[in-house]
Amino acid sequence: QLQLQESGPGLVKPSETLSLTCDVSGGSISTTNFYWGWVRQPPGKSLEWIGNIHYSGGTSYNPALKSRVTMSVDTSKNQFSLKLSSVTAADTAIYFCARLPDSTIFGDWFDIWGQGTMVSVSS
Amino acid sequence: DVQMTQSPSSLSASVGDRVTISCRSSQNIEKYLHWYQQKPGKAPKLLIYSASRLESGVPSRFSGSGSGTDFTLTISGLQPEDFATYYCQQSYKNPFTFGPGTKVDIK
Repeated sequence: QLQLQESGPGLVKPSETLSLTCDVSGGSISTTNFYWGWVRQPPGKSLEWIGNIHYSGGTSYNPALKSRVTMSVDTSKNQFSLKLSSVTAADTAIYFCARLPDSTIFGDWFDIWGQGTMVSVSS
Repeated sequence: DVQMTQSPSSLSASVGDRVTISCRSSQNIEKYLHWYQQKPGKAPKLLIYSASRLESGVPSRFSGSGSGTDFTLTISGLQPEDFATYYCQQSYKNPFTFGPGTKVDIK
């Protein structure tokens, strides 16, 4: 059974770069049929899509965050990563990694999620 | 961006009730609409994709309908484990956007 697990610092200073990794277990990240994504949720608020990446390296980012976001894949470690630069308090949130089936017919949805990791931005 | 709204923002219901949650998009998103359930401290869980397709393993009391700009999630016979917050999400246009959520609690 496929599982995703986020990891990374729980506290980041303002103006610095937030870096998170999502380990994929129980299956390979190197599959044509899926994308891998990040979604965040500020405390008490709704969800915000950050971006997706394919194991081949193709990416799609939320335009609101695009200038600060970099996603990458490490197939040798079966993991993918998120970097968000120049963070502010507004970036404080629970960050989830998730899998998206590659479906041109039915759209893009998140079918398997990691448990999430809380990241606070504070000096 | 495609704006998503949900109504009501919260509702109180009893076990066994039929519950209907509405999701509306600011433009036509065809059937690129998906529903999630989230419990406190947990990740969202996919319930319905492409407006009406039930995710594998999700109980059949959950159903979705709609197309264009108006969508509905129905829970037929609310169970104790269904008390949670429900979100809709569109994937018709980048950026993918989520609704603000509908919290279902116990009456």
